[in-house]
Amino acid sequence: NAGVTQTPKFQVLKTGQSMTLQCAQDMNHNSMYWYRQDPGMGLRLIYYSASEGTTDKGEVPNGYNVSRLNKREFSLRLESAAPSQTSVYFCASSSDPGTGYGYTFGSGTRLTVV
Amino acid sequence: KNEVEQSPQNLTAQEGEFITINCSYSVGISALHWLQQHPGGGIVSLFMLSSGKKKHGRLIATINIQEKHSSLHITASHPRDSAVYICAVSPFTGNQFYFGTGTSLTVIP
Repeated sequence: NAGVTQTPKFQVLKTGQSMTLQCAQDMNHNSMYWYRQDPGMGLRLIYYSASEGTTDKGEVPNGYNVSRLNKREFSLRLESAAPSQTSVYFCASSSDPGTGYGYTFGSGTRLTVV
Repeated sequence: KNEVEQSPQNLTAQEGEFITINCSYSVGISALHWLQQHPGGGIVSLFMLSSGKKKHGRLIATINIQEKHSSLHITASHPRDSAVYICAVSPFTGNQFYFGTGTSLTVIP
């Protein structure tokens, strides 16, 4: 099935642990995004990659790093998890970074940091 | 300051009612998106608009670029329409989206 695949779906981390969230899309999209969603806050952009080989900070990049491994894959890394990073994380992709044409989301990763 | 404002925040309707959700934005945009998120579920893109009106089944989305306003209408609402509806805009400058905080819709049988 065409779309955006995120792994894992659920994760519990202890404070200070590290982990990488994986995201892959098979729609040949140029742009990929990582968001976090917190109650009452809406979606907030962590990092994005407008095209293969580029990455840029979004609204809330602190505590995160990203890698655009190739056109398909865009990973998000938490180097030292903190309770404030407890959230639901969504990866998304689009074919056009200017308009968001073809905007498609992954199913989300529910992360709890204890 | 939120570039995208949605109203209402919460909405309860009886099955069969006509529903309108509004989105106002303050920046120049190249496109506006309406997204749907079911409880505990993923996010699905319903519409992308840059002008006029689009229709898909019982859902209709309109946009007025001059007034910086969009509406999402649901005709003959059904309990399965219960979800959070999110408005997002692609501004002229930059490659990011601005999101509204969503409208939580509950349709009662």
